[in-house]
Amino acid sequence: AQTVTQSQPEMSVQEAETVTLSCTYDTSESDYYLFWYKQPPSRQMILVIRQEAYKQQNATENRFSVNFQKAAKSFSLKISDSQLGDAAMYFCACPHNNNDMRFGAGTRLTVKP
Amino acid sequence: EAQVTQNPRYLITVTGKKLTVTCSQNMNHEYMSWYRQDPGLGLRQIYYSMNVEVTDKGDVPEGYKVSRKEKRNFPLILESPSPNQTSLYFCASSLRGSQFYGYTFGSGTRLTVV
Repeated sequence: AQTVTQSQPEMSVQEAETVTLSCTYDTSESDYYLFWYKQPPSRQMILVIRQEAYKQQNATENRFSVNFQKAAKSFSLKISDSQLGDAAMYFCACPHNNNDMRFGAGTRLTVKP
Repeated sequence: EAQVTQNPRYLITVTGKKLTVTCSQNMNHEYMSWYRQDPGLGLRQIYYSMNVEVTDKGDVPEGYKVSRKEKRNFPLILESPSPNQTSLYFCASSLRGSQFYGYTFGSGTRLTVV
């Protein structure tokens, strides 16, 4: 079975602080990418960052970075200098062969001013 | 602008009344997919299509139909909607498989079946 687990249904962070969202996954794929998507109240699904599983270097996109631990099948998202606009649902996603992408249940992030 | 366009954005219907949610992409993507999003469950795949006239079931296909007669369009059909199909629906497309490219999503359709 291939599953994606986000163990934190809700998280909150103070504006300008750093927060880490957790994700673990299980896959039998040998070559794949992992993804974090953001869903603001507008409900649009926006790709935040992706990580190549065969690369040891963690991906970074501006204030967003990942901590990828391949052996542990862990793929956490770190948001630095949090902004009010970061408030959203965040979904971790792991490909399931070429035909599907498995999503976690999501983490709702609140940013406090 | 490269995008996936879904319509309608909101839909309220009655049990048993056939409906179609349209999806169109302008990126010449081969791969298209439909997901439903429910609280606590994330997104689950309903159907996918790897190219024109090639479709297959995802994890939750019961009660849904799709067709892919043209590369850009991938409508979702509910022949006889039931209240358990009340959900948020997303169409998504990818250049080829989502394994490496990820998805571009439409803006979602909030469906309520009463």
